[in-house]
Amino acid sequence: DAGVTQSPTHLIKTRGQQVTLRCSPKSGHDTVSWYQQALGQGPQFIFQYYEEEERQRGNFPDRFSGHQFPNYSSELNVNALLLGDSALYLCASSRPGKFNSPLHFGNGTRLTVT
Amino acid sequence: DAKTTQPNSMESNEEEPVHLPCNHSTISGTDYIHWYRQLPSQGPEYVIHGLTSNVNNRMASLAIAEDRKSSTLILHRATLRDAAVYYCILNSQAGTALIFGKGTTLSVSS
Repeated sequence: DAGVTQSPTHLIKTRGQQVTLRCSPKSGHDTVSWYQQALGQGPQFIFQYYEEEERQRGNFPDRFSGHQFPNYSSELNVNALLLGDSALYLCASSRPGKFNSPLHFGNGTRLTVT
Repeated sequence: DAKTTQPNSMESNEEEPVHLPCNHSTISGTDYIHWYRQLPSQGPEYVIHGLTSNVNNRMASLAIAEDRKSSTLILHRATLRDAAVYYCILNSQAGTALIFGKGTTLSVSS
């Protein structure tokens, strides 16, 4: 049973460019959350998708957008990249409304903006 | 969600018990206490969660104070593989996002 898979694992982009990161949730999960983790910090919540809609959003600018597909996979898009966007981007999947269903994280995409 | 306070770092020796504290003095009656840990170069992984009663699973135990203003994650016998950042998180509404703090970095020595 595959867990959460993210692609690519590493990415280097130039300031001002756009990037798309991808996530496939764990089998049986239908909710996807995205987090940004800067070096030495805890993960910061970006947004959560359920039933192909953004259900909850953290304190991130509109440059960060996402999408969820009918098969529950998800994309994170970041426009007009800044140097400060360099971070590990984590995807987590879960079942909604069940505390017995913990978050399952992928190992992330390491984005470097130069 | 209410905030949690954890020590920045802790040290332990292999095969000894480890008690990781978490203070959450403003916890509400509906807040669940979640613990996750993040091993180097990996995403966080679920450890345990509870509401009022102490909880045990194959990874750890969670001891919750009677007034629920603090809790302790207990690793019964630390191994080198337990070296990680441990996050204590409160969440009151099922299905909503978990908000991480900086956590406690646990070092384990042989």
